[in-house]
Amino acid sequence: SAVISQKPSRDICQRGTSLTIQCQVDSQVTMMFWYRQQPGQSLTLIATANQGSEATYESGFVIDKFPISRPNLTFSTLTVSNMSPEDSSIYLCSVVGGTNTEAFFGQGTRLTVV
Amino acid sequence: EDQVTQSPEALRLQEGESSSLNCSYTVSGLRGLFWYRQDPGKGPEFLFTLYSAGEEKEKERLKATLTKKESFLHITAPKPEDSATYLCAVRGGSQGNLIFGKGTKLSVKP
Repeated sequence: SAVISQKPSRDICQRGTSLTIQCQVDSQVTMMFWYRQQPGQSLTLIATANQGSEATYESGFVIDKFPISRPNLTFSTLTVSNMSPEDSSIYLCSVVGGTNTEAFFGQGTRLTVV
Repeated sequence: EDQVTQSPEALRLQEGESSSLNCSYTVSGLRGLFWYRQDPGKGPEFLFTLYSAGEEKEKERLKATLTKKESFLHITAPKPEDSATYLCAVRGGSQGNLIFGKGTKLSVKP
């Protein structure tokens, strides 16, 4: 399984500001995934980040709100832009394992917007 | 529409009291059903993958089983350290994305 490091682990931000979350993997992976986990809700896929191309966003998520970078095969960032209290959530980075089925997750970033 | 429903939402057990968690799913073209454990403040930790009806996987006090419509996570003689939220997810459909349930929060009291 891959070792995934996320930074920061938590943050409290003012509304209207932006936060960039970093995800580092200990091995090269083709695709990296960003999820959101709202309180009491299931994990929801935000977007898939491929190296060398634009991220693919799921329904309900847009690039202007959640811009993603993928500069190489071991690193990605997710920015939560112009934050509002509704963005308070846990954000998770994920990669798929060697069998290309099971997913592995970072420890998450707990974001609180005040 | 692909979906995953987990029950119960919360489960309280005494140490040593065995029980089961349920995961019902609807998905076209199942490519795998996954169980994860999530501790507070941490990301989900992978436990099992099941691919076909009748398949079973075991790890310590946990045993996962799969039918065509649901999966069970059996916990035998649980200990307080088994307390966590257990998530179920399926991969399938045209996109092959993971679809998660809301989880079952398990509390095991000594």
